[in-house]
Amino acid sequence: DAEITQSPRHKITETGRQVTLACHQTWNHNNMFWYRQDLGHGLRLIHYSYGVHDTNKGEVSDGYSVSRSNTEDLPLTLESAASSQTSVYFCASSDHTYNEQFFGPGTRLTVL
Amino acid sequence: GQQVMQIPQYQHVQEGEDFTTYCNSSTTLSNIQWYKQRPGGHPVFLIQLVKSGEVKKQKRLTFQFGEAKKNSSLHITATQTTDVGTYFCAGNPIQGAQKLVFGQGTRLTINP
Repeated sequence: DAEITQSPRHKITETGRQVTLACHQTWNHNNMFWYRQDLGHGLRLIHYSYGVHDTNKGEVSDGYSVSRSNTEDLPLTLESAASSQTSVYFCASSDHTYNEQFFGPGTRLTVL
Repeated sequence: GQQVMQIPQYQHVQEGEDFTTYCNSSTTLSNIQWYKQRPGGHPVFLIQLVKSGEVKKQKRLTFQFGEAKKNSSLHITATQTTDVGTYFCAGNPIQGAQKLVFGQGTRLTINP
């Protein structure tokens, strides 16, 4: 069965370190998204991609970057982790036809 | 920028009571989606509404899209403990665009 996975599921890091969160989907979807979820803010879009080599900034992109070298993967990198980036991160994917987003299980990141 | 406001933020009901959450957009939407997130889980797609004034039902859940395509609601009749979770609306402001703007969510808790 097709799926979308995220790793690691939990991560504790220190301020200033570079962190990369992985997202892998086997739906063969063109669209992939990264969100962060914080209490009172719902899901906020960080970056998104509509296809290989395409990346776009979302509403809260500062301090984050992504790259899309193939259809299946969209890794999210925190260049220099800050305590304000402590959050739960969700990756999602969709195709152009149905627009329904399929979410991964999430990564809980703590920056100390 | 595009904003989607959702109220209430929290709702606690007795099992068997009805529940409604409301979603309002600052601009006209092409379509609106609803997602449910169980505690500790990830958002799961429920439904998409596209047409002005559209009403869709899924068993005890009724979804409406306003005539002006700027607001939506989700109504659950006779809640059950399995309805516990956070319900998100997500608006697509531009026809053909794939990214969504999520509301803050309504967290539903139920007293059995």
